[in-house]
Formats: sequence, C-alpha cells, structure tokens
Amino acid sequence: DADVTQTPRNRITKTGKRIMLECSQTKGHDRMYWYRQDPGLGLQLIYYSFDVKDINKGEISDGYSVSRQAQAKFSLSLESAIPNQTALYFCATSDPGSQQYFGPGTRLTVT
Amino acid sequence: AQSVTQLDSHVSVSEGTPVLLRCNYSSSYSPSLFWYVQHPNKGLQLLLKYTSAATLVKGINGFEAEFKKSETSFHLTKPSAHMSDAAEYFCVVSDGVTGGGNKLTFGTGTQLKVEL
Repeated sequence: DADVTQTPRNRITKTGKRIMLECSQTKGHDRMYWYRQDPGLGLQLIYYSFDVKDINKGEISDGYSVSRQAQAKFSLSLESAIPNQTALYFCATSDPGSQQYFGPGTRLTVT
Repeated sequence: AQSVTQLDSHVSVSEGTPVLLRCNYSSSYSPSLFWYVQHPNKGLQLLLKYTSAATLVKGINGFEAEFKKSETSFHLTKPSAHMSDAAEYFCVVSDGVTGGGNKLTFGTGTQLKVEL
C-alpha cells in the first residue's frame, strides 16, 4: 500500500463549487504539506502543518483553506472554486530535516 | 531567501548517451539540495539528496549530482540514458533553517526526452 494517498485522483467541478481534497499518510510523520503544480512553474507551496495544532500559509494560500484532522490526515479545501485553480495538487509528508514523500497527485479541473 | 534555476526546460538525448541536467541555486544558508523525478501521471520520486556530506552524491537508477559551492550548482548527470529515464526532473533547495523547517523551493522543471 502507498504511504501517502490522495483522494480523489481526478475531479472536474464547476466555478463556485466547494471542493475538498484529502490526504492520508501511514508514515507516522508530523509534517504535512499541500502543493500545486502548474505547467512550467514547478511546485508551489499552498499550506503546511508541522503538527496537528500547527497550520501555516505557504506562498499561494489565497483561495484555499486546510484542516489537519489528525496526524495522518490533512485536507485542502477550495471554498469557491475558480478556473485558475485548475492544476495538479500534491500532498507531501516528512519528518523534521528529512526528505518529503509525495502522494500521487489530484488533477483538478474547474470549468 | 532561496531560489533555484533550472537552465533548460527541455533536454533531448539519444539512448546510451550521457545526460546532463543543469541546476543553479541561491540560498542564504548552507542548503540541502535534491533532485526529484516525475514520470507521466505519477507523483514525485526522490532521486538523490545533498545534505552537507560528500559533494558527489549518488542516487537511484545510475544518476549522480555534484554540489559545487563556488559555482552554486548542483547538476544532475547519468553516463548512459535509458528510455525509461524520459520524465520531468525537478531541482529543489531547502535552507533547513529552524522555523523555516524543511520547506522546499522547486525549480521549474526539465523535461528529458530519450530517443532511440
């Protein structure tokens, strides 16, 4: 079984809809991250969490919110989706100072 | 502040020939540097990492990278390309500063094409 899972893997939604992307990990890591990937831009950090009570904004947090429900779960929400949020979204986990482990990604299309 | 520049957005090589993917970085602290690979419709996989030990780092699948502080470079190489190496490659820097934790800054990626 994969160490970092993301659901759904693909989603098409309409402008103005609320959508939640979920991430679960079995690695026992305290730190979790959400990134978005756009063609030609690499990955940009949306939010990160160093433990269940710690949530921090990344480079591009506007239009997004997160919830750390447990050590193993970190959800990303788009309260009112807009077309320029169409992207590939990755969740990642790590221990302090160690490499990050990435999930398989969620492809989100907002029409 | 930290940043990464991948000097080529696309690289094309023939199977069996050497691969060179170039990366320059900027960091205020002693950086940790990584190369990740992303195959089509897959997540990111760590190829190798530099964390202030040996400057020549060996990774998986025959890849290696050399940390050159004087040139602020961390180029990725492989002696002989294989068709399965076709993918997108990301150079990544982390300053590892406490408080910044291990937030990563990604380069824009290099698409490697391997031709017969």
